[in-house]
Amino acid sequence: AQKVTQAQTEISVVEKEDVTLDCVYETRDTTYYLFWYKQPPSGELVFLIRRNSFDEQNEISGRYSWNFQKSTSSFNFTITASQVVDSAVYFCALSQNPDYGGATNKLIFGTGTLLAVQP
Amino acid sequence: EAQVTQNPRYLITVTGKKLTVTCSQNMNHEYMSWYRQDPGLGLRQIYYSMNVEVTDKGDVPEGYKVSRKEKRNFPLILESPSPNQTSLYFCASSPRGGSLNGYTFGSGTRLTVV
Repeated sequence: AQKVTQAQTEISVVEKEDVTLDCVYETRDTTYYLFWYKQPPSGELVFLIRRNSFDEQNEISGRYSWNFQKSTSSFNFTITASQVVDSAVYFCALSQNPDYGGATNKLIFGTGTLLAVQP
Repeated sequence: EAQVTQNPRYLITVTGKKLTVTCSQNMNHEYMSWYRQDPGLGLRQIYYSMNVEVTDKGDVPEGYKVSRKEKRNFPLILESPSPNQTSLYFCASSPRGGSLNGYTFGSGTRLTVV
C-alpha cells in the first residue's frame, strides 16, 4: 500500500531560522512522483515541487530546497532563513507515475505539518 | 487563465438537505478528483474520474455521489448530508499523464452540516 508520513505535526521557529520538514513515503511502485504543497491560512493549495522517482538530484529554488533520498524513502523540504510569510501547512504527497501503465492519477497526502514562523 | 473553479466557497446546511458542490475546469483535463481535508487526516480522495462517463470511488466515498457528463464539470453531490461530512473540500484536475506542475486545485469549499 502507498502511504506518506509527516511525523511533525507542528513546528514553530523564529524568523531567519532554517527549518526542515520531514516526509517519509511507502510504495511498491518503482516509478512514482513526489510532491510538496503549501496551504497558507487563506486555504488554497499551492504547488511547490514535483519530483520523479528517477531523479534523485536535490533541488533548490530560492530559499527552498528539497532532499530526495530513495534509500531512506524520504523527500525532505528545507526553508532557509524562514520568513513570517512561510507560515502555512505543508503537505507532502505521492502518486503513481501515469507514464508507466495502468496507474490512476491519485494523489496520496501526508497529514501535513503546520509551520509557524514567529517575527 | 487556467483554473479549477469550485462553488460555493462556504456553505452551511442542515442535516438531510441535498446539496451540490460544483467544479469546473477550463484546461481540457481528462482527470478530475474530489478530496476532503480534515484536521490530522490530511486530504483524502472521495471520488475520481479518468474521463467523461468514467468515475470511480476513492478512499472515502460513503455519502457522496459524482457525475461526469461533460469533460469540464465534475459536481460533488451529497444526497443527505450529515454532520460528519463537515469538512474542507477540494476539486482537482490534471491531464491523464499527470502534469509537471502537479494537479490544479480549486480554492476549496468549506462545508458545515448542522
